[in-house]
Amino acid sequence: QVQLVESGGGVVQPGRSLRLSCAASGFTFSSYAMHWVRQAPGKGLEWVAIISYDGSNKYYADSVKGRLTISRDNSKNTVYLQMSSLRAEDTALYYCARDYRAVAGTNWFDPWGQGTLVTVSS
Amino acid sequence: EIVLTQSPATLSLSPGERATLSCRASQSVRSYLAWYQHKPGQAPRLLIYDASNRATGIPARFSGSGSGTDFTLTISSVEPEDFAVYYCQQGSNSLTFGGGTKVEIK
Repeated sequence: QVQLVESGGGVVQPGRSLRLSCAASGFTFSSYAMHWVRQAPGKGLEWVAIISYDGSNKYYADSVKGRLTISRDNSKNTVYLQMSSLRAEDTALYYCARDYRAVAGTNWFDPWGQGTLVTVSS
Repeated sequence: EIVLTQSPATLSLSPGERATLSCRASQSVRSYLAWYQHKPGQAPRLLIYDASNRATGIPARFSGSGSGTDFTLTISSVEPEDFAVYYCQQGSNSLTFGGGTKVEIK
């Protein structure tokens, strides 16, 4: 079955960096765009970034542009989120999600992983 | 940025009742709207995409309607497992979510 497992979260000081990973299985990873979506404590969902199936296109929410970088390694079935210059407002549960359809994509998210928690605090 | 406003914030219902959730966009998103269900401690789940299409495996009691700026998610008869938070999301211009509607047990 399709499975997405995030890792790499933890407690990090403001201004520092962290890299999240999302390992995929159960589908042809190299055919799907992938997303990162986050949820701050007690808040709603916020889309963060998307990377196309082949890695050639990447788009970001304005709130993270220039600080967070999405990438993928199709040989390892893994998508990454490199987070730098972290701020308190980046504290959230970070989910990776697959695009609903292969190749062309839809901008709908399904399925999702269980998330990894990032806490930015001194 | 397109802002999505969901109402009501909380909906209190008994099992078997009909649920009607609203999502209003600050500008037209055509039919590029989806609905998700999110339960505590679980991954969100896609229910409806392109405003009115049920995702794979979603029960027929869930339906979506609307286009442009006004959208509705309807649960025809709420089951105990349907108590959760529901989010709408637009895919027309960048990607944004609404603030959510919590469907709770009355």
